[in-house]
Amino acid sequence: DQQVKQNSPSLSVQEGRISILNCDYTNSMFDYFLWYKKYPAEGPTFLISISSIKDKNEDGRFTVFLNKSAKHLSLHIVPSQPGDSAVYFCAAAVGGSQGNLIFGKGTKLSVKP
Amino acid sequence: EPEVTQTPSHQVTQMGQEVILRCVPISNHLYFYWYRQILGQKVEFLVSFYNNEISEKSEIFDDQFSVERPDGSNFTLKIRSTKLEDSAMYFCASSGVAGGAGGELFFGEGSRLTVL
Repeated sequence: DQQVKQNSPSLSVQEGRISILNCDYTNSMFDYFLWYKKYPAEGPTFLISISSIKDKNEDGRFTVFLNKSAKHLSLHIVPSQPGDSAVYFCAAAVGGSQGNLIFGKGTKLSVKP
Repeated sequence: EPEVTQTPSHQVTQMGQEVILRCVPISNHLYFYWYRQILGQKVEFLVSFYNNEISEKSEIFDDQFSVERPDGSNFTLKIRSTKLEDSAMYFCASSGVAGGAGGELFFGEGSRLTVL
């Protein structure tokens, strides 16, 4: 039961270019979406989030876009830096949830110098 | 920067043994969580805890699991009788507001449990 899907297990990008990580979901009850970054041997670190009432949220080099009709969100990183190399998880929550985040399987981003 | 700390970092146990994983959440946080990630699989929600009681739990969190906040700083996950399939990385998290309602969860580095 994959309510949150990240179909690309890996992505390789040149330093300075844009990284686009994609995420699809099936549950129309999700009303909050988050991106987490994870380095090896560390826990997930919150990156950016978006409420379902918005279609874009920006924080520095990171922008999340939400297309509710397509049940699709994406994370854009511009410009990409080698330190961005990590596994990126998309997560979603239903309104009223008490911290029950549904995670995707993750996309491993490699930014090459 | 405040952080969530977890102990032990790695525990190896025999099937059927009891295991307690410990977490110290960020000090002014009120909401606490346990997640797990089986190798190669997704991070999965186990339980959330607020005001000294479970606020939500997943199907994974059966009678073999329990959580406790024994004092003002620790938050523990107990697995009563471990099974091979309990082998996973267990992540503790905390938040200042209810997670999933705009509340960012802060995760610890995880405790790796290996059941032999």
